[in-house]
Amino acid sequence: DADVTQTPRNRITKTGKRIMLECSQTKGHDRMYWYRQDPGLGLRLIYYSFDVKDINKGEISDGYSVSRQAQAKFSLSLESAIPNQTALYFCATSTSLGGETQYFGPGTRLLVL
Amino acid sequence: QKEVEQDPGPLSVPEGAIVSLNCTYSNSAFQYFMWYRQYSRKGPELLMYTYSSGNKEDGRFTAQVDKSSKYISLFIRDSQPSDSATYLCAIGAFETSYDKVIFGPGTSLSVIP
Repeated sequence: DADVTQTPRNRITKTGKRIMLECSQTKGHDRMYWYRQDPGLGLRLIYYSFDVKDINKGEISDGYSVSRQAQAKFSLSLESAIPNQTALYFCATSTSLGGETQYFGPGTRLLVL
Repeated sequence: QKEVEQDPGPLSVPEGAIVSLNCTYSNSAFQYFMWYRQYSRKGPELLMYTYSSGNKEDGRFTAQVDKSSKYISLFIRDSQPSDSATYLCAIGAFETSYDKVIFGPGTSLSVIP
């Protein structure tokens, strides 16, 4: 089984709809992240969490919110989706041992119409 | 100026060729350097990690860092069709609460049989 799983893998939604992307991990890592990937822009950090009680904004958090339900679960919500949130979304985990090496999930492809 | 720049390609080479992938970065505060490989419809996976100037070799892959020039490279020897993927460079800086990691936009590589 995959160490980092994401659901759904693909989603089409309409402008203004609320949508939740879910991430689960079995690696036992404390740190979890949400990124979005756009062509030519690379991976950009949306939110990160070091433990259940610790949530931090990344560089592009506007329009997004997160919930860390447990050590192994980290969800990303788009409260009111807009077309420019169409992107590939990745969840990642890490344990910082002399530097951040992150383990990524398979991604969620989101299309907002 | 972007913190990390990377030629997006696409780069197409014949099987067996030596491949050179490159990134430049602008801030000398970054202390460690990574290469991730991302296959189509998959999440990035860590390929190489180094924190010192010079070369680090792992099988057919060699990561090269020149901190004085702010230049990092990944060399692939005897390239194989299975090496066809997008390669992301990433740079990291140790900070008090969170290691800042910046990803390059990625270079798309195709190895032709």
